[in-house]
Amino acid sequence: QQQVKQSPQSLIVQKGGISIINCAYENTAFDYFPWYQQFPGKGPALLIAIRPDVSEKKEGRFTISFNKSAKQFSLHIMDSQPGDSATYFCAANYLGGKLIFGQGTELSVKP
Amino acid sequence: DTAVSQTPKYLVTQMGNDKSIKCEQNLGHDTMYWYKQDSKKFLKIMFSYNNKELIINETVPNRFSPKSPDKAHLNLHINSLELGDSAVYFCASSLSGNQETQYFGPGTRLLVL
Repeated sequence: QQQVKQSPQSLIVQKGGISIINCAYENTAFDYFPWYQQFPGKGPALLIAIRPDVSEKKEGRFTISFNKSAKQFSLHIMDSQPGDSATYFCAANYLGGKLIFGQGTELSVKP
Repeated sequence: DTAVSQTPKYLVTQMGNDKSIKCEQNLGHDTMYWYKQDSKKFLKIMFSYNNKELIINETVPNRFSPKSPDKAHLNLHINSLELGDSAVYFCASSLSGNQETQYFGPGTRLLVL
C-alpha cells in the first residue's frame, strides 16, 4: 500500500502550546520520512526528516517521533507561534525519490 | 537567489488548449520532478527525470508530456486541457544520491475554464 495517512486535517493551537500531527503508513519499503511546511501561495519546504532506524529527531522547536513497529510517526511543534500557521505534510520516500505525501494538516496558531 | 523557479506563476486557459510550464533549478541538482496539488491540497508525484532521462512516470494521462533539455530544466507540456487539469503544479529537484531530499518551486496555478 503506497499510502500515508495523516491526521488531523486541521488543528488550532494557542500560542506557546504544542502542536502534534500524526502519520501512519503500511509499506515497510519506505526508507525516509520528511515533513514539509507550506505557506499559502508557496511551494512546500522541507522542515525536518527522519530515517526508520532512528526513533526521534529534534531540530529547534520541531521534533519527529518515529515508531517503526507501529508504522507511525509524528511531528511535534513546541512553543507554537503564529508564524508556524501553515499546512504541514508528512511524506514517505519509496524507490529513491518517489515521495508519497499525506493529506496535509492546516495548523492555525492563535495569539 | 532563486533555487527552483517556475514560469508562468498563473495560467488561465480554455478547455482544449495546449499549454506549457517551465521549470529551472540553479542548485546543481541532477534530478527533477513534477507534482500536482489538487484543490484539496493533496500532492502527488507525476514524473521524475534524472540527467534528462525519465525515471518515474506515474499513471498520468498521455496528454501530459514532460521534457528535460538538460539537467537544470524540466518542462511540462499539456495537450487538450480539461477542467480536471486545474490544479497547482510544482516542480522540485534533488541530487541523485539524495533523491528523497527535494526542493520545491513556487508552483504554477493552472485554471482551465
